[in-house]
Amino acid sequence: TQLLEQSPQFLSIQEGENLTVYCNSSSVFSSLQWYRQEPGEGPVLLVTVVTGGEVKKLKRLTFQFGDARKDSSLHITAAQPGDTGLYLCAGALAYSGAGSYQLTFGKGTKLSVIP
Amino acid sequence: ETGVTQSPTHLIKTRGQQVTLRCSSQSGHNTVSWYQQALGQGPQFIFQYYREEENGRGNFPPRFSGLQFPNYSSELNVNALELDDSALYLCASSFRGGRLGRETQYFGPGTRLLVL
Repeated sequence: TQLLEQSPQFLSIQEGENLTVYCNSSSVFSSLQWYRQEPGEGPVLLVTVVTGGEVKKLKRLTFQFGDARKDSSLHITAAQPGDTGLYLCAGALAYSGAGSYQLTFGKGTKLSVIP
Repeated sequence: ETGVTQSPTHLIKTRGQQVTLRCSSQSGHNTVSWYQQALGQGPQFIFQYYREEENGRGNFPPRFSGLQFPNYSSELNVNALELDDSALYLCASSFRGGRLGRETQYFGPGTRLLVL
């Protein structure tokens, strides 16, 4: 079972449209990160959210962390072809008993923005 | 540019062989994590090293092993390669010094491994 559910899995939209990607879990995370990945490359960090209810903006991208720190969303306003890519959310599990943590990734949302 | 480098970029091996992948962390980072990303999937956590010791492991068999060196560079070793080991292998470095779970991981470009 996937600990982090991302939706939608695929999204194809016209340039200028708005979109929202969702990341949901039954687990509480100490932080959640959003990455963007191009084919054949490593994920590139977009943002880290750590506080329940936190909202962060990065130009046309708005990230929100749920109040209970179990879910997050990424909203893109007026999408452009340059936004095309794989968007991944990753949660850091909120435990420290083993003195470590791991990032748990969703399967990703593959976004295509058509000119 | 994250400052994290990996080598080689691509590798082809045959089933049963062994492979070593290398990662150079971002300057000042003391923690390295390794992930396996199969085609069409998100990265899956393999293990994490902190101060040269394994400090957390995902659901991977013992034939996946690693090392972290005093300069915080790292290796991932996979023995007895299987066809399903074909994937993009990513390392990520971070600095652990504050609240656990809140450090940010920065990824390298990955090594694409193909097992025939």
